[in-house]
Amino acid sequence: QVQLQQWGAGLLKPSETLSLTCTVYGGSFSGHYWSWIRQPPGKGLEWIGEINHSGSTDYNPSLRSRLTISVDMSKNQLSLRLSSMTAADTAVYYCARLARDYGDYWIDYWGQGTRVTVSS
Amino acid sequence: QPVLTQSSSASASLGSSVKLICTLSSGHNDYIIAWHQRQPGKAPRYLMIVEGSGSYNKGTGVPDRISGSSSGADRYLTISNLQSEDEADYYCETWDSYTRVFGGGTKLTVL
Repeated sequence: QVQLQQWGAGLLKPSETLSLTCTVYGGSFSGHYWSWIRQPPGKGLEWIGEINHSGSTDYNPSLRSRLTISVDMSKNQLSLRLSSMTAADTAVYYCARLARDYGDYWIDYWGQGTRVTVSS
Repeated sequence: QPVLTQSSSASASLGSSVKLICTLSSGHNDYIIAWHQRQPGKAPRYLMIVEGSGSYNKGTGVPDRISGSSSGADRYLTISNLQSEDEADYYCETWDSYTRVFGGGTKLTVL
């Protein structure tokens, strides 16, 4: 049974840095890619970025300058840091595992979500 | 990059069937999509991938009354014998070498 358990601060002030961590229980950590997705209130899901076990990343171009995604294989954890937060970054943030079949990767497990609010 | 379009809402009666649609943008007819379900207050759950050929591959524990299909740029999720727990938001997902995109989601109401 694969479970993704995420945590991090839920209330930030503008200009602060968001830090979220997601611990993976069950399954293989090193054999998968891992992703972060968010959903602002009343809006759709937005891909933030993803990382493989060796640390190779792909980021949403709109967030790249503020974003760092990393993995700690010794702890089966992935992390997200998003700097210079503004009200526009208020959203529910999800970590997710990617299934793989040849060159195709899709989400097959999700974290429970962390509601993040940016407010002064 | 691909764009996915979903109806914002759908409704059907308990015990009936419903077919949700996710449409790929022009030039992306052959893309694979994944369907996800998010019940109120719960984490999203992966349901299946659907290929352009119409074949689909379900995730662990997805009931037999849920299936997928495809026609051209359209990818479908069919739920038969609707249950109250099927009332949820349904999202489709696709990807290419550069990005991952989601449809806007369909809110399914079970009457």
